[in-house]
Amino acid sequence: GAVVSQHPSWVICKSGTSVKIECRSLDFQATTMFWYRQFPKQSLMLMATSNEGSKATYEQGVEKDKFLINHASLTLSTLTVTSAHPEDSSFYICSASQGGGEKLFFGSGTQLSVL
Amino acid sequence: TQLLEQSPQFLSIQEGENLTVYCNSSSVFSSLQWYRQEPGEGPVLLVTVVTGGEVKKLKRLTFQFGDARKDSSLHITAAQPGDTGLYLCAGPADKLIFGTGTRLQVFP
Repeated sequence: GAVVSQHPSWVICKSGTSVKIECRSLDFQATTMFWYRQFPKQSLMLMATSNEGSKATYEQGVEKDKFLINHASLTLSTLTVTSAHPEDSSFYICSASQGGGEKLFFGSGTQLSVL
Repeated sequence: TQLLEQSPQFLSIQEGENLTVYCNSSSVFSSLQWYRQEPGEGPVLLVTVVTGGEVKKLKRLTFQFGDARKDSSLHITAAQPGDTGLYLCAGPADKLIFGTGTRLQVFP
């Protein structure tokens, strides 16, 4: 099956710094990637939809200047949490689609802890 | 905005018991998926239901899609400790919106 690699799996950073999370489709070209965040004991909340070569579409309430998404190639999307604060601490998960309404493949997630 | 409400939110049962998790929406979905997620990992797809009234079985798990394609259910027969996890419904397939989640704990 298709594999989506997410890196790093966990990161600890100081408040005010920026953190970049990578999501790679290893054996297929992902025309669309999705970014989710998940707080403890809660469900996944869609943050944004990332399409290769175009600007990401953010869900209501998600600050686009805070969460920078870049989908520069068909196999890589990045999420940068800028000027991170403790309230940004969360589990971030990406998923990738080959397009055409096909199934999504999920990364293994990144646990971000902001001190 | 399509919302998916799951019930119950939490479920704690003994090994061998049966249980049903519900996923409801006021919107019609072209398809619904069920996932299971363990702590610190991404969700794993269990099944996709597409046709109204469809029933799919996966070993001890039975999934049903409502006739109107607004709701779905997951029934687990003779639950085992290995079934413990967060169960999530989600849809549609091309842009997954996840349900509120049901956290299942099965005690031996």
